[in-house]
Amino acid sequence: GDSVTQMEGPVTLSEEAFLTINCTYTATGYPSLFWYVQYPGEGLQLLLKATKADDKGSNKGFEATYRKETTSFHLEKGSVQVSDSAVYFCALTEGGGTSYGKLTFGQGTILTVHP
Amino acid sequence: EPEVTQTPSHQVTQMGQEVILRCVPISNHLYFYWYRQILGQKVEFLVSFYNNEISEKSEIFDDQFSVERPDGSNFTLKIRSTKLEDSAMYFCASSRQGARETQYFGPGTRLLVL
Repeated sequence: GDSVTQMEGPVTLSEEAFLTINCTYTATGYPSLFWYVQYPGEGLQLLLKATKADDKGSNKGFEATYRKETTSFHLEKGSVQVSDSAVYFCALTEGGGTSYGKLTFGQGTILTVHP
Repeated sequence: EPEVTQTPSHQVTQMGQEVILRCVPISNHLYFYWYRQILGQKVEFLVSFYNNEISEKSEIFDDQFSVERPDGSNFTLKIRSTKLEDSAMYFCASSRQGARETQYFGPGTRLLVL
């Protein structure tokens, strides 16, 4: 079945540091890929997504590129802020056919940014 | 901006009791989902619901679980006889279409079974 693997956390960075959170996936078909973020006390919010190979999703300074050859969707940000402290989830959905949009999630990565 | 809401935010119940978790999806959305996250583990898919019937369910979603859209706005998850291992955060989500569309999540209900 489908699966998503994220880098182990937690990740602790200083403000303005460069962020990378690795995500790799296994899928039988041609999935769409997502990054969701969960701020303390809130639900999951879509951060960015990509639906086909070589697409780059971007939002709020975060980027991730759909790499079919390496089955990866790594999240990056050039300069993190304290307000980026949250839990980040990589996810996929197969889409189409008999799929009704079931999301398969990675285990989540806790990011803490210090001033 | 429209959002998915869930009630209650926290629920404590005794093992063997029935619980109903409630969700109000975004009004023009057609697909509805329940997920759960046991503390320290992944977010797991439970069930998807479209056109007033279950469209897909996971192995977790056994006979103890049921979902319903009793009116035009609410979407509920019922656990008939709770077990200790049902303790988790339960998230509702909705999307305009299924498949590759973005799912919008509620803030979750934290269920504790004693």
